[in-house]
Parts: sequence; C-alpha cells; structure tokens
Amino acid sequence: GESVGLHLPTLSVQEGDNSIINCAYSNSASDYFIWYKQESGKGPQFIIDIRSNMDKRQGQRVTVLLNKTVKHLSLQIAATQPGDSAVYFCAENTGTASKLTFGTGTRLQVTL
Amino acid sequence: EAEVAQSPRYKITEKSQAVAFWCDPISGHATLYWYRQILGQGPELLVQFQDESVVDDSQLPKDRFSAERLKGVDSTLKIQPAELGDSAMYLCASSLTGGTNSPLHFGNGTRLTVT
Repeated sequence: GESVGLHLPTLSVQEGDNSIINCAYSNSASDYFIWYKQESGKGPQFIIDIRSNMDKRQGQRVTVLLNKTVKHLSLQIAATQPGDSAVYFCAENTGTASKLTFGTGTRLQVTL
Repeated sequence: EAEVAQSPRYKITEKSQAVAFWCDPISGHATLYWYRQILGQGPELLVQFQDESVVDDSQLPKDRFSAERLKGVDSTLKIQPAELGDSAMYLCASSLTGGTNSPLHFGNGTRLTVT
C-alpha cells in the first residue's frame, strides 16, 4: 500500500513498551478532541475522544490526556504492538458544528 | 461494523478533464463530509452536509469543485477541470448527528492522480 506521510515526525518504540504521542492544538475555544489512526492506504480510524470538561479518558490500551492550560493533547498506548504502527492524528472541534481540524500527524513505528 | 463506502479506490486523469467521486455514508448518519488529504498532511475539510443541505463549503474551490447530496444519503464530489494540484486523497466521512460528541467515521478514500 502507499505511504501516508513520508516526512512526518516519527516515534519509534519497541514492541511491548508504552508509546506517548503528543499534539499541540491551536484554538482555546475547542471543546472536543479526537485521536485518529491512519494505516497506509486507508482512511483515518477513530481511536478515542475527549471533551474539554475532562482531563483524562481511558479506553482499551489507550489513554488520552488533555491539558487546556497549555493546549496540549497526548495519546498513550500501553504495551505497543506491531499492529499499532500507523500515522496518528489529533483533531479538534472548532465551532458548534462537528467541524474537525486535524493536526500534523506522527508516524509510530513499532520495532520487534 | 458499518463502513463508509467510497469509489473508485484510485483514479488517474489528465488535467482539464472532469472527475467524480462517490460516497455512501453509514446508514442513518445525517452528516456527511468531504475531506482532501495531501500526502504528509492531515485531512482538510472541503464541504459538510447536514442531510441534503450544505452546512459549510467555505474551503471548497467553487470555480472547479462541486458537491451534492440530493436525497440526503449518498454524495458525489466533482472536479471540472482537474488541475495538477488536485492530486490528493479524497476522503468521505459521516457522523450520526454532526454535533460534538459525534465522531466522524471515514471511508478509505479515493486516490486521485492528475497527469
């Protein structure tokens, strides 16, 4: 399949380690945030979301942390697996409608 | 799990030709979006529909791009005439309500190459 994002920031982690992917968002009025995973040749896949009235939310093997003071979002993946290798995007909702603005992606490479 | 369907998967066209992409959202999803993704970047919104009405097309180059969702279900995005700079992945997404707390679900896109 074709590559998504040939010159993206890259995070390389060993299988079994925890991964932390960071994202700085731009709009202090944003009230909803989503992390997406995009594998080569596919569309973005929803991972986890968080509203601005929360600072942490956990899913299966994933945790999203929101720091509104510094407009920072992070995605933590526990026990990273080879299948987690992909490009990860954060997205923020700006405005009353569900209009998402995507950040710059990060490529996660899982080494064996 | 229900998916957003897009076709064609790949399209190669010469500049100045017309091209069209089709999207079938998840059944029951009222809101439909077309995004464009240039290689190495995040998706950028082109147009958003709520049922059959356009909610936001502020980023759609209306001199050459058009989009419709006539019956409030499937949608077509057209480019005429195509330009070299239009080469990108065109992604369709849908959400249940279009409000916050209603995540977007994406299709696998149409990869357009303009020669």
